[in-house]
Amino acid sequence: GNSVTQMEGPVTLSEEAFLTINCTYTATGYPSLFWYVQYPGEGLQLLLKATKADDKGSNKGFEATYRKETTSFHLEKGSVQVSDSAVYFCALGAGSNYQLIWGAGTKLIIKP
Amino acid sequence: NAGVTQTPKFQVLKTGQSMTLQCAQDMNHEYMSWYRQDPGMGLRLIHYSVGAGITDQGEVPNGYNVSRSTTEDFPLRLLSAAPSQTSVYFCASSYQASGTYNEQFFGPGTRLTVL
Repeated sequence: GNSVTQMEGPVTLSEEAFLTINCTYTATGYPSLFWYVQYPGEGLQLLLKATKADDKGSNKGFEATYRKETTSFHLEKGSVQVSDSAVYFCALGAGSNYQLIWGAGTKLIIKP
Repeated sequence: NAGVTQTPKFQVLKTGQSMTLQCAQDMNHEYMSWYRQDPGMGLRLIHYSVGAGITDQGEVPNGYNVSRSTTEDFPLRLLSAAPSQTSVYFCASSYQASGTYNEQFFGPGTRLTVL
């Protein structure tokens, strides 16, 4: 069946460090892929998405490329800020019922 | 636009009590869903709806009921609360179009504790 695996957290980095959060998936067909972010005390919000192989989603300095050959959608940012501290969720959309399959989330902590 | 609203923000129940978590959206979205979020487990789908009068079960429906009498509202009812239902509950909505997965908009969540 469809599934999403994210790297376990928490991930702790210093400000201005390079960030990678790994996400791999298992799915039949050609799923859509998403990254959502949850800031403390809030609901989730869409960060970026990609709908076909080799697409790159980007927003707020974050990027992720849909790699079908490695079934991956890793999240990257060149220089993180304290304000990026949050929980990041990878998700995929596949099948016909509009449901998303969610990863467990990765907590990111950025220290000044 | 208020987006997706949820009430209450916090609730404490005793085992066996019932209650309803409210969710409303003002974006005219067909698709609405309820998730629960537990530490280390991501989001798990409880129930969802693809339009007024249509609901279906998600991954963890036991102990919960839903109804969708209008496009705007999608309440979640806990029939007889149990400590295992202690969690943070999120309502989400999205525009529905055949063959596409659109952005889901989330409410701020309800933190429920069952004693």
